[in-house]
Amino acid sequence: IAGITQAPTSQILAAGRRMTLRCTQDMRHNAMYWYRQDLGLGLRLIHYSNTAGTTGKGEVPDGYSVSRANTDDFPLTLASAVPSQTSVYFCASSDGLGAGYTFGSGTRLTVV
Amino acid sequence: GEDVEQSLFLSVREGDSSVINCTYTDSSSTYLYWYKQEPGAGLQLLTYIFSNMDMKQDQRLTVLLNKKDKHLSLRIADTQTGDSAIYFCAENSGYSTLTFGKGTMLLVSP
Repeated sequence: IAGITQAPTSQILAAGRRMTLRCTQDMRHNAMYWYRQDLGLGLRLIHYSNTAGTTGKGEVPDGYSVSRANTDDFPLTLASAVPSQTSVYFCASSDGLGAGYTFGSGTRLTVV
Repeated sequence: GEDVEQSLFLSVREGDSSVINCTYTDSSSTYLYWYKQEPGAGLQLLTYIFSNMDMKQDQRLTVLLNKKDKHLSLRIADTQTGDSAIYFCAENSGYSTLTFGKGTMLLVSP
């Protein structure tokens, strides 16, 4: 593992199903983030975690939950997927202001 | 609240300079960033500028910051076809969280 790993790379999901997007980093960054990217809307923050054991809501948190049990992992869960959650999801991490974010390669999720 | 705005599209010829502009609204932003996204990939940090700087140069990239007008620009000298991508401007909007613009698609033609 080098940097951030997201899994799966892509997924087609039936509406109403539960889904967890996985994100793992090996850089020991304190902060981690989940964004969704939609055409015409850019990147929007879903949830973030400044350090292990803490999480916070971003701009579009409804329908999503996160946990941060340790420094390396930051899974994003869709409890009951809806078609409007079709998007590309990016996980990112940072070791502090000024360092910028390191992004994963993304998960393309289609909810049908 | 914070909002970052960019033009959506820029087309240039190979060898020309490209200038991508961005405006932001949060005057307390400490750092401003430029990211590049190639097709099917995540965002890659290109460069950033601290808010007390006016200019930063890094090889072919020049970042200009006008804090009074809350205007940020990215100039790419000698633009190459490999520079074709989407470029995102971002500002910090809280404890380490970034707010991104919608992105500018740069198309470089031979």
